[in-house]
This record gives sequence, structure tokens and C-alpha cells, in this order.
Amino acid sequence: GDSVTQMEGPVTLSEEAFLTINCTYTATGYPSLFWYVQYPGEGLQLLLKATKADDKGSNKGFEATYRKETTSFHLEKGSVQVSDSAVYFCALLLPETSGSRLTFGEGTQLTVNP
Amino acid sequence: NAGVTQTPKFRILKIGQSMTLQCTQDMNHNYMYWYRQDPGMGLKLIYYSVGAGITDKGEVPNGYNVSRSTTEDFPLRLELAAPSQTSVYFCASRPKRQGKVEAFFGQGTRLTVV
Repeated sequence: GDSVTQMEGPVTLSEEAFLTINCTYTATGYPSLFWYVQYPGEGLQLLLKATKADDKGSNKGFEATYRKETTSFHLEKGSVQVSDSAVYFCALLLPETSGSRLTFGEGTQLTVNP
Repeated sequence: NAGVTQTPKFRILKIGQSMTLQCTQDMNHNYMYWYRQDPGMGLKLIYYSVGAGITDKGEVPNGYNVSRSTTEDFPLRLELAAPSQTSVYFCASRPKRQGKVEAFFGQGTRLTVV
């Protein structure tokens, strides 16, 4: 079945450090891929997305590239800020022909210290 | 525009009691989802719906029931509450339109079963 695996957390960085959070997936068909962010006490917000192989999603300095050959969608940011502290979720959406399930990884807690 | 609205925000139940978590969206989205998020864990799909009158089980459906009589509403029913159902519950919706894959989340319902 479909599944998403994220690197284990939590991750603690200093401000302006480089961030990578790994995400790999297993799915039939051609899923769309997402990164969602959850700030304390809130619901999930879409951070970025990619709907086909080699697409690069980007938003607020974060980037991720849909790599079909390695079934990966790693999240990167060149210089993190304290305000980036949150939980980050990788997710995949199966196409309608495969049931349209939206499946999430376990989440990675990021803490950025000043 | 309200988006996805969940009620209540917080609830404490006694073992064996029942309750319904409400979810309403005003975006005319076809797809709706219910997830649970346990402390320090990712989101697990409970049930989902691809349109009014159609529902399907996710990863962890046991102990829950859903209905989808209208496009707007997707209530989640707990018939006999158990401590294992203590969690934060999130409802999400997304459109069916081609290329519009983003899911929108409610603020969550924090449920404690004692």
C-alpha cells in the first residue's frame, strides 16, 4: 500500500543553519507530493507541493524536488529562522484512479534556536 | 470564507459514552477526510469520502463511523469511547478539480477519554 517515511526527529538547529528533512514514499501510480507545516496548537497548512516527476515546489525559502527515480521529496531551506520552528509533514495524494487517499508521514519536529 | 470548521474544539468523555465530531466546509469540496494525531505521532487516516453518499475506510477505522449526506458535512461518530481514542482529530477537505490538489484543514478537536 501507499506510505510515507520521514527522517526521525526531533531536529534542532541554530538560526541561519541549513535544513534538510528527508522524505521517501511508496505508492502505486503517480502521486502528488506535499509538505505541510503545523505550528503549535494549530491545524496543518500547505507549505509546498509537486504534482509530477522533476517538479520543484517552493515557498517561504523552502524547496523540495519530486524525484521519481529515488521516490523522494526531501525538504530543504538554506537559512532557517526561529519562526520556522514547527512540525513538518510529508504527504502523498494518490490519483483519483487509485482512490484519492491522502497519506502522511510521521512528522518531524524542528526547533530553531537564536 | 470560513473554510473547514470543526466543533467542538475540546471535549472530555467518559469510557463508554458516545459523541459526534462535526466537520463542515463551505468550499464545495468533493473530498473530505478524518485523521487522528496521537502525541508525537503523525496523522492516521480514519475515514474519507469522495462525495456525498460515498465513504471509505482509512488505516484506523475501528471504533468510528461516518456519514456524508451532504457535500458540506462529514461528521465522525464515536459510539463507545475508549481511552485509546484519546487524540487530536483533524478534518480536511479538497476539491476534485484537475490540478487543484491542496487539502485544507480544520483547527482540530482535542478529545480525552477518561
